[in-house]
Amino acid sequence: TQLLEQSPQFLSIQEGENLTVYCNSSSVFSSLQWYRQEPGEGPVLLVTVVTGGEVKKLKRLTFQFGDARKDSSLHITAAQPGDTGLYLCAGVKSGNTPLVFGKGTRLSVIA
Amino acid sequence: DAGVIQSPRHEVTEMGQEVTLRCKPISGHNSLFWYRQTMMRGLELLIYFNNNVPIDDSGMPEDRFSAKMPNASFSTLKIQPSEPRDSAVYFCASTSPPLYGYTFGSGTRLTVV
Repeated sequence: TQLLEQSPQFLSIQEGENLTVYCNSSSVFSSLQWYRQEPGEGPVLLVTVVTGGEVKKLKRLTFQFGDARKDSSLHITAAQPGDTGLYLCAGVKSGNTPLVFGKGTRLSVIA
Repeated sequence: DAGVIQSPRHEVTEMGQEVTLRCKPISGHNSLFWYRQTMMRGLELLIYFNNNVPIDDSGMPEDRFSAKMPNASFSTLKIQPSEPRDSAVYFCASTSPPLYGYTFGSGTRLTVV
């Protein structure tokens, strides 16, 4: 059983469209992170959210942590081909426990 | 800093052979993690170290897998003997305080034939 469920698994959209991907769990997390991974490389951190209800923006990317700290979403406005990649959410349950990763959403933005 | 450095980038080996993967974490990071990534299971934590001490190896699939961290700048993951189902991309990552992000290496793609 996957602790963090990400949806959709795959998403293919046209350049300029908006999209939202989701990360859900039945467990509470003390913090949650989003990473982007490109082919042949390791994941790279995009953002960390720690407070329930927190919203963070990174240019065209908006990240939200659910009020109950069990879920998160990533919204991309006006997607570009450079946004193509695997988006992974990862959570810390408590203290210094290691990150647990979801399986990711594989995004393809077509020019 | 050059980031987390893993070697080799690719490894093709025959079933039954010993495989050693290497990792150099970022200087000053006190936690090091070994993950395995497959399409079916995603990123799975194998083992992690704090201050060179193994803390949790419950993710190591079998006794065929072992990991060491002899000092703060080097870690190895060894598989002996290797099997085809071990084929995956193995990542090393390091970090400092828990709310900081993990810095991942570029991974080692292991193929066991």
